[in-house]
This record gives sequence, C-alpha cells and structure tokens, in this order.
Amino acid sequence: EPEVTQTPSHQVTQMGQEVILRCVPISNHLYFYWYRQILGQKVEFLVSFYNNEISEKSEIFDDQFSVERPDGSNFTLKIRSTKLEDSAMYFCASSEGLYSNQPQHFGDGTRLSIL
Amino acid sequence: AQSVSQHNHHVILSEAASLELGCNYSYGGTVNLFWYVQYPGQHLQLLLKYFSGDPLVKGIKGFEAEFIKSKFSFNLRKPSVQWSDTAEYFCAVNGENYGQNFVFGPGTRLSVLP
Repeated sequence: EPEVTQTPSHQVTQMGQEVILRCVPISNHLYFYWYRQILGQKVEFLVSFYNNEISEKSEIFDDQFSVERPDGSNFTLKIRSTKLEDSAMYFCASSEGLYSNQPQHFGDGTRLSIL
Repeated sequence: AQSVSQHNHHVILSEAASLELGCNYSYGGTVNLFWYVQYPGQHLQLLLKYFSGDPLVKGIKGFEAEFIKSKFSFNLRKPSVQWSDTAEYFCAVNGENYGQNFVFGPGTRLSVLP
C-alpha cells in the first residue's frame, strides 16, 4: 500500500536556526497537509496545500512558517527561525480529494527538538 | 471554532473486556467522521470513517463506530480488546464548517493489560 514518507525522523536544531521538514505524499494525491502534535497534546492543523498554493492555514501557521512543493514529488515545511515552542512531532498528510470521500493518509512524522 | 472532545484521557482494560471510547463534535452542518489509531512509535492510521448512509460503520481490526446525529457523537467500540490494541485513539472531524483540515480530538490512551 502506498505510504506518505517523511524525512528526517528526528531533527535537532538550535533555537533561531532554520529547519526544513520533508515529505513525499502518495503519488496520485492532490491535497497536502501539515499537522503538529506537541508532546502530550492533540494533533493540530497547520496548513493545507493544493494546486501549488496554500488553500487554508491555521493561526499557528504564522510568518515563520512556509510550505513548498519544489519538484512535483516533495512537499516541504520550513520554519525560518525556530523557537523552543516549535518542538513537536510534525505530520505530513495527503489525500486524493477535498473532504469528499477521501481520508487523509499520514506519514510517520518528524520529531523536531529545538535546543 | 469547531471542536472535538473525547471523554476519556486514559482507559485501562484487561484483555477480552469490551471497549467504548466517546467522541463528540460541536455542531457544524454536514460532517465526515474518522477514528485514527497511533500505536507507540508509529504514525496515525485510519481505523474507520463515516461519510453518509448506515450510521454504524465497521473498520479494521474488529472496531466499529456509531454516528448518532442527535447527540453529535461518534463513539468507537470493540467487543473484546487485545493487548495489541494498546495505543492512542484520535477522533477527527472535517466537513463544510470545519474547513479543509481535520479537527482532531485530544486523544484517548488505551492500555490493555495482558
């Protein structure tokens, strides 16, 4: 069964540094998402992406965050200047359709630790 | 803002016990409902989903859930749990008033004792 893959599995970064989290969505999916899960808390929506542009974002997704689909297969999340509170598990997801009849398929996540 | 609540933070059961995990969502018009499971160290996996039709839906691994529209609920059930069901369970909702994203509940940790 096709899977969403994320790299790296664990990223350790100094506060203030830029970090890029990478995702390869399922190949025939058109909608892409990033979620995060701070330790012990619920999964929170960050952003959705369709047709090479952001279609929806949450208030968490401020100017420090950006997303890109640089080459037609990868889908990246960039945090420009990391803060301690960015430490979390970041999940990428993709779906064929937009909440019609298609669930989102999630990757294994990248654990981001900010020192 | 739309929200999803789950009744229990942590449930501890013995093997073969019956399971019911509660999930309620705030009113939001037409909704799609999902249960995801996260085994220790693994990614979120879809257990089952409801879009329309029969409100009792069956998923993988013997799980089922019932959509009760009047109660805004989508409770997850399993008649007899196994040790391997130990995991975190998340209820999620999307739909016309939730935007494109999923709104997740806070999760319920299930511990099944052998």
